[in-house]
Amino acid sequence: LAKTTQPISMDSYEGQEVNITCSHNNIATNDYITWYQQFPSQGPRFIIQGYKTKVTNEVASLFIPADRKSSTLSLPRVSLSDTAVYYCLVGDINQGGKLIFGQGTELSVKP
Amino acid sequence: GAGVSQSPSNKVTEKGKDVELRCDPISGHTALYWYRQRLGQGLEFLIYFQGNSAPDKSGLPSDRFSAERTGESVSTLTIQRTQQEDSAVYLCASSLVLDTQYFGPGTRLTVL
Repeated sequence: LAKTTQPISMDSYEGQEVNITCSHNNIATNDYITWYQQFPSQGPRFIIQGYKTKVTNEVASLFIPADRKSSTLSLPRVSLSDTAVYYCLVGDINQGGKLIFGQGTELSVKP
Repeated sequence: GAGVSQSPSNKVTEKGKDVELRCDPISGHTALYWYRQRLGQGLEFLIYFQGNSAPDKSGLPSDRFSAERTGESVSTLTIQRTQQEDSAVYLCASSLVLDTQYFGPGTRLTVL
């Protein structure tokens, strides 16, 4: 399983765009990149998943460069309710295998 | 449909006692995971069940921890002779083959 590295914490203000980058230098060919969000006192919740280039949904965008050794979660115009911990995971979904959560990035959005 | 449910939501026990935590996964989900999350920490993988395969127990911290799953349904995590360092939120998740994990609300365990 590919190991991931993320910043421990980030601060932002309401209305700003937030970009959280995750490093996964030993990502394998069949690995996908998935991001989860966790609010205090709740279990993590799936945000977005991708393999390469760019993926966008109603919540976020995921940018993956050609070498796939990193990925960037982009949250447009954050609000106070986006304050949470964000986890980057890498794993082979085609094998139905387990994913391992790292320490995550604690995002604090201020007014 | 119903999501992943866990019971109890809170459990307070005395050091040395055994506890059982229950997880009801989403119907049809073949994979089930248990994690531990200590206060202010990230998730720590404990055990993984996938269909009828032997469970991956590589994350269990000691032989005091064990888990069972009946087919593709309910799972029970048992902690024997609890210690104060076992105090944490225990999270259960289930998924289909594509690995989007759906988490339950967790069980907050406090060992006095």
